[in-house]
Amino acid sequence: EIVLTQSPDTLSLSPGERATLSCRASQSVSGYLAWYQQKPGQAPRLLIYDASSRATGIPARFSGSGSTTHFILTISSLETEDFAFYYCQQRGNWPITFGQGTRLEIK
Amino acid sequence: QVQLVQSGAEVKKPGASVKVSCKVSGYTLSELSMHWVRQAPGKGLEWMVTFNPEDGETIYAHKFQGRVTMTEDTSTDTAYMEVSSLKSEDTAVYYCATHQKAVAGYFDYWGQGTLVTVSS
Repeated sequence: EIVLTQSPDTLSLSPGERATLSCRASQSVSGYLAWYQQKPGQAPRLLIYDASSRATGIPARFSGSGSTTHFILTISSLETEDFAFYYCQQRGNWPITFGQGTRLEIK
Repeated sequence: QVQLVQSGAEVKKPGASVKVSCKVSGYTLSELSMHWVRQAPGKGLEWMVTFNPEDGETIYAHKFQGRVTMTEDTSTDTAYMEVSSLKSEDTAVYYCATHQKAVAGYFDYWGQGTLVTVSS
């Protein structure tokens, strides 16, 4: 099973700042990695798939990069509504696995 | 546009079974690959099972094999996920999820979630 490790566990930033979230895989997932945003009491929302493709309706301030074992989600200028939990997910190998999550909180 | 509507919250005793439903609208169930993902309180997301209608294969996460059953009723466009021999650690929100073909293997449509509480 591929283990995804996200860092940091918690990221404290202010609106307008740039956020950089990391996801490392225990072995290569090629480019088959996604990022999700989840707010309390809501289902996750797909932001990025295949490492760098934005899902439908996702603002351009969200971008993804990386390949094989190291991936980055960047939020270029934080809006208030971006403070939430973020998860990465790989589909490169069965079983599908998720990272443990990063909490993005307002500083 | 796909919509997924799940059944309501359940409270079960240890050792019992629970069956959660997921009603599809906007597409027919036979066109979709359905997945179930769960989230324990305050914890992360955990993939459980996937059904691929293209090859008819159901793939279970190893830890759920033998205890989780995924079925579908295409006449009502409803997917079901049953968990047997419930333990307190199965207390979680259970989500059904699916995807457009362009994002196969990821989850861009989600149900609202069903809270299953296992308590004596």
